[in-house]
Amino acid sequence: TQLLEQSPQFLSIQEGENLTVYCNSSSVFSSLQWYRQEPGEGPVLLVTVVTGGEVKKLKRLTFQFGDARKDSSLHITAAQPGDTGLYLCAGAETNAGKSTFGDGTTLTVKP
Amino acid sequence: ETGVTQSPTHLIKTRGQQVTLRCSSQSGHNTVSWYQQALGQGPQFIFQYYREEENGRGNFPPRFSGLQFPNYSSELNVNALELDDSALYLCASSLDGSYNSPLHFGNGTRLTVT
Repeated sequence: TQLLEQSPQFLSIQEGENLTVYCNSSSVFSSLQWYRQEPGEGPVLLVTVVTGGEVKKLKRLTFQFGDARKDSSLHITAAQPGDTGLYLCAGAETNAGKSTFGDGTTLTVKP
Repeated sequence: ETGVTQSPTHLIKTRGQQVTLRCSSQSGHNTVSWYQQALGQGPQFIFQYYREEENGRGNFPPRFSGLQFPNYSSELNVNALELDDSALYLCASSLDGSYNSPLHFGNGTRLTVT
């Protein structure tokens, strides 16, 4: 059974601070996705990474896929209250629709 | 472009009853996946439908079943409901189900079993 472990489980920071959250697995994935989920809503895709060592940037968010395609990190620069939410990583072997999800990092950014 | 829509948004059922949840996929998407998200956990894969056929199943018992229709909309049926079935049920559609085909999620159906 593939498992994705996310850390930390909870993170509470002040506006303007930087943070990094992690997603680790013992399994190799063909692709890894990061989603953000807000209360009462479904997850919204932020990024897909497919190549080992790949780095993608989305405004203040930087995503990295590990060289061995087993782990990933999400770094947020100068966090804002609008970044508050549940950040989920999900790994896909052959089919993104059959992804394995981690249990997420709940981020709270205080003004 | 219409996104993924799910109905109903909330549902309360009694243990032992049966429930049907519905999902309309995003326009142009032929693949639908269903996930169960218990409180405080990440989504767990239930099964996927591709062009009206089941295309993979997670670790869920046979009382979880589904259908996909010619217009690619889908249903999730759960028989003999148990208390542990209480969760947010998410439907996601994708263009073709490939490993890098983005998933588009609906806002889910919140099922409470009492």
